[in-house]
Amino acid sequence: SQTIHQWPATLVQPVGSPLSLECTVEGTSNPNLYWYRQAAGRGLQLLFYSVGIGQISSEVPQNLSASRPQDRQFILSSKKLLLSDSGFYLCAWSVRGTGNEKLFFGSGTQLSVL
Amino acid sequence: GQNIDQPTEMTATEGAIVQINCTYQTSGFNGLFWYQQHAGEAPTFLSYNVLDGLEEKGRFSSFLSRSKGYSYLLLKELQMKDSASYLCALANQAGTALIFGKGTTLSVSS
Repeated sequence: SQTIHQWPATLVQPVGSPLSLECTVEGTSNPNLYWYRQAAGRGLQLLFYSVGIGQISSEVPQNLSASRPQDRQFILSSKKLLLSDSGFYLCAWSVRGTGNEKLFFGSGTQLSVL
Repeated sequence: GQNIDQPTEMTATEGAIVQINCTYQTSGFNGLFWYQQHAGEAPTFLSYNVLDGLEEKGRFSSFLSRSKGYSYLLLKELQMKDSASYLCALANQAGTALIFGKGTTLSVSS
């Protein structure tokens, strides 16, 4: 069966520090991968998605970047965190090419930038 | 672009029926999803509609009218554990990602 791992569960970082969140998927090949952020009062916002290794689409301009070094690994990074980067970050995957993008989410990372 | 509207909050009592509405505007329709999210947890899939009509799955049903840009999630025989946020989502124009509404927080009381 497919599983998605996301870590850490919680993170407290000072403003200006770097960030690296990692997500891995097991039990499937060639998945679509996603990073979402959920901030208070703003709903679930799509940040990045990837349909293959090295292929990253960014939905909103921001202080963050994403990389997909391996088929089932998706990394969210920042060189210098801002206060506005605080939120609940969710990694997700879907089966590629179905036309029905049912998402399966990781357990999330609660990031607090202080 | 896409726009999704849902009520922010709803309240109901155990055993009741509640309908959560979602209206949307999109230039290309590729399906509408409903997800449930308990506080501090990841969203979980509830339903998917791509054709007009009602999809029933146990206590939960979802309805879609593409011509009206309207969907609803119907929850029957409410239980305390149904207290959660319910997220309406559209597939993006490329069909490669989901765009979520802000969600409706449902509080079920005894």
